[in-house]
Amino acid sequence: DVKVTQSSRYLVKRTGEKVFLECVQDMDHENMFWYRQDPGLGLRLIYFSYDVKMKEKGDIPEGYSVSREKKERFSLILESASTNQTSMYLCASSLLGGKGYTFGSGTRLTVV
Amino acid sequence: AQTVTQSQPEMSVQEAETVTLSCTYDTSENNYYLFWYKQPPSRQMILVIRQEAYKQQNATENRFSVNFQKAAKSFSLKISDSQLGDTAMYFCALRTSGAQKLVFGQGTRLTINP
Repeated sequence: DVKVTQSSRYLVKRTGEKVFLECVQDMDHENMFWYRQDPGLGLRLIYFSYDVKMKEKGDIPEGYSVSREKKERFSLILESASTNQTSMYLCASSLLGGKGYTFGSGTRLTVV
Repeated sequence: AQTVTQSQPEMSVQEAETVTLSCTYDTSENNYYLFWYKQPPSRQMILVIRQEAYKQQNATENRFSVNFQKAAKSFSLKISDSQLGDTAMYFCALRTSGAQKLVFGQGTRLTINP
């Protein structure tokens, strides 16, 4: 059974902390994505990566960075967490040009 | 730029009824894919159905079917004989053939009542 695993289901961090959200896939997919999900706004793309060490900004990259040192792992980094980054974060992966995407179960991050 | 709009934030129907969720989209591309995803309370996004824009025939998966109107840029999801397990958030999404990312709508929260 193919999987995208997000390291934490719930996370509470303090304002100003550096936060790492980890995502691992076991399907040898080239593409990996980080989305943010907010009520009434749907899912918005933060960053995606189509290869190791390659990244592209999505629609809302401000305040975030990413790292992809290995094909199976894609990390989302909040350099200095702020309360407006309280949200659900979803990781996904797909083959290059693939028609299907596999999602993780999400990390609900609360910044206090 | 591509956009996807779901104009129904919430819907509620009785079990066994048929329900239709609306989705409109905008793209200047001719080749693209449309998707409906389901997100139950477990938060796991599940692909419900996919439609290739070049196919005129509407996609069907068991109780789920779509009404794809390319000229109108409309992509609605029909759930027949609805079940309690269909209760979830439903997202419409678009990917153009040259892009890798999915663009999502705002979501519709569907509740099936016993």
